[in-house]
Amino acid sequence: GAVVSQHPSRVICKSGTSVKIECRSLDFQATTMFWYRQFPKQSLMLMATSNEGSKATYEQGVEKDKFLINHASLTLSTLTVTSAHPEDSSFYICSVTDANTQYFGPGTRLTVL
Amino acid sequence: GEDVEQSLFLSVREGDSSVINCTYTDSSSTYLYWYKQEPGAGLQLLTYIFSNMDMKQDQRLTVLLNKKDKHLSLRIADTQTGDSAIYFCAESSDAGKSTFGDGTTLTVKP
Repeated sequence: GAVVSQHPSRVICKSGTSVKIECRSLDFQATTMFWYRQFPKQSLMLMATSNEGSKATYEQGVEKDKFLINHASLTLSTLTVTSAHPEDSSFYICSVTDANTQYFGPGTRLTVL
Repeated sequence: GEDVEQSLFLSVREGDSSVINCTYTDSSSTYLYWYKQEPGAGLQLLTYIFSNMDMKQDQRLTVLLNKKDKHLSLRIADTQTGDSAIYFCAESSDAGKSTFGDGTTLTVKP
């Protein structure tokens, strides 16, 4: 199956700064990647669908100007949390789909102080 | 919109069988998944079942699907302490986008 990596695995930043999270599909060319967010002890919530070479599709309630997504190549999608605030602290997970199976990255733990 | 529901907690003794239940509302669901998440880690796909199947078995895991009732279950035979984790049920009617349940925390007592 597809192997998905994320970088960094953990990041701590000050309030007001921006943080970039990378999602890489190591052995699979992914025209579409998905970004999820997980609050402590809660389920995954789909934030956006990242489309290679075009604009991302955001789910209702997700601020596109706050969570910037760039999918510049078939193996890399980035999520930038702009002007981060403590309420943005969360676990961010990306995924790719190969046929009918979804493969998840290991996740990035973001803590905003 | 689509909704997936699971019970939040399950506690079993080592060696017993665990059964985690899930219900969903989207009648057009094509794929149904079970994921495992250990503390601080990402999701691990355990197994999946197509909506035209009733059952799927994979070693200690058995998935049962009642499409009429939109009920999915995951049975773990001979549960071990290493099986302690959060188990997520998810459905997808469009491969790629999934709707997840809130997860069932399985605690295995020695």
